[in-house]
Amino acid sequence: SQQGEEDPQALSIQEGENATMNCSYKTSINNLQWYRQNSGRGLVHLILIRSNEREKHSGRLRVTLDTSKKSSSLLITASRAADTASYFCATDGGSNYKLTFGKGTLLTVNP
Amino acid sequence: DAEITQSPRHKITETGRQVTLACHQTWNHNNMFWYRQDLGHGLRLIHYSYGVQDTNKGEVSDGYSVSRSNTEDLPLTLESAASSQTSVYFCASSDRTRDGETQYFGPGTRLLVL
Repeated sequence: SQQGEEDPQALSIQEGENATMNCSYKTSINNLQWYRQNSGRGLVHLILIRSNEREKHSGRLRVTLDTSKKSSSLLITASRAADTASYFCATDGGSNYKLTFGKGTLLTVNP
Repeated sequence: DAEITQSPRHKITETGRQVTLACHQTWNHNNMFWYRQDLGHGLRLIHYSYGVQDTNKGEVSDGYSVSRSNTEDLPLTLESAASSQTSVYFCASSDRTRDGETQYFGPGTRLLVL
């Protein structure tokens, strides 16, 4: 069963704009992670935020976590065409390194 | 550099045939996972292993099997391929440390069952 659900399913923006994607989940978690998948490729880990953290930054990425609402957001600032990809949230509910992935948000950044 | 590879990258087979997809990692990771990715379903866990001789069923394990005879490899076998198993298959690995929460993915295998 799907733990995380991303919103929106698809997002199209212009280069230079910010992109925000949201993830909601159902049960308690140890951490939440975001992965990127370029077309035809495997997933690549972007950032991990633990359940006791509220915000985390990595380069142009900013992730927030609200455990009371069971939700997270991924913000990509100053988007580039190379950011075009699908983005997935994944939750670790403490089940021994197993992750449960959402269905993903397809981000298109137009030059 | 350490990496995780999958072979073949593309495979066409017929219904009823046995198919084995290979996964090889040089990270020396204890944990290995197999997922399938389908439109509308995201990634779903098929089988996983925490070490040599250890295998566990995931969310969608029916019709699939794995074996772990060494640290580096976790082959996925479709015992009798069905059209419903047409999908993209991803292998992933992680370590048994706090950083093991992060998974490293292979490039995927596209399987078409006719």
